[in-house]
Amino acid sequence: DGGITQSPKYLFRKEGQNVTLSCEQNLNHDAMYWYRQDPGQGLRLIYYSQIVNDFQKGDIAEGYSVSREKKESFPLTVTSAQKNPTAFYLCASSMAGGGETQYFGPGTRLLVL
Amino acid sequence: GESVGLHLPTLSVQEGDNSIINCAYSNSASDYFIWYKQESGKGPQFIIDIRSNMDKRQGQRVTVLLNKTVKHLSLQIAATQPGDSAVYFCAENRYFNKFYFGSGTKLNVKP
Repeated sequence: DGGITQSPKYLFRKEGQNVTLSCEQNLNHDAMYWYRQDPGQGLRLIYYSQIVNDFQKGDIAEGYSVSREKKESFPLTVTSAQKNPTAFYLCASSMAGGGETQYFGPGTRLLVL
Repeated sequence: GESVGLHLPTLSVQEGDNSIINCAYSNSASDYFIWYKQESGKGPQFIIDIRSNMDKRQGQRVTVLLNKTVKHLSLQIAATQPGDSAVYFCAENRYFNKFYFGSGTKLNVKP
């Protein structure tokens, strides 16, 4: 059963804490993406990676970090520098190259305690 | 249509009627478009896509129309069912693999 998995479904962050969101895909896709979704707004790109060991900042990268050590995995760390982290975080993947369909995971909702 | 802010535009239809959801895009160079369906608390689900060399594409109960002259995209859902209730948004491929996503339209299907 191919797809994209994200964990956890809900995540709580305390002040000053870094937290890491997991994203795994078994679609054999080269490209992976992280988006942030706030109520009533379109998805905003945080980071993306076209290939293993390489990634680029998206439109709202400040306060976030990523790694891409394996093709299947693209974890996102929300650092303490991100002052407004409460949002729904979505991971997506696609084939390499331009104009390819992006498929999404189920999302992680991050809340601040 | 599109909206910025907390309140999404809502389309209410009766079960069995056809639904039309619209999307305006801004970049005339965009060459690939996708419609997604998102249920509350879930990730977006791919519905149908269309490339800029086409005007129309049909799937199962869904049709996407592309009007490049006025930069407008629409999603038509035939015989709308309660399970179609969700937020629908369009995605526009502006540059390489970077997409711009609309905020969406909420479809409410009344039984």
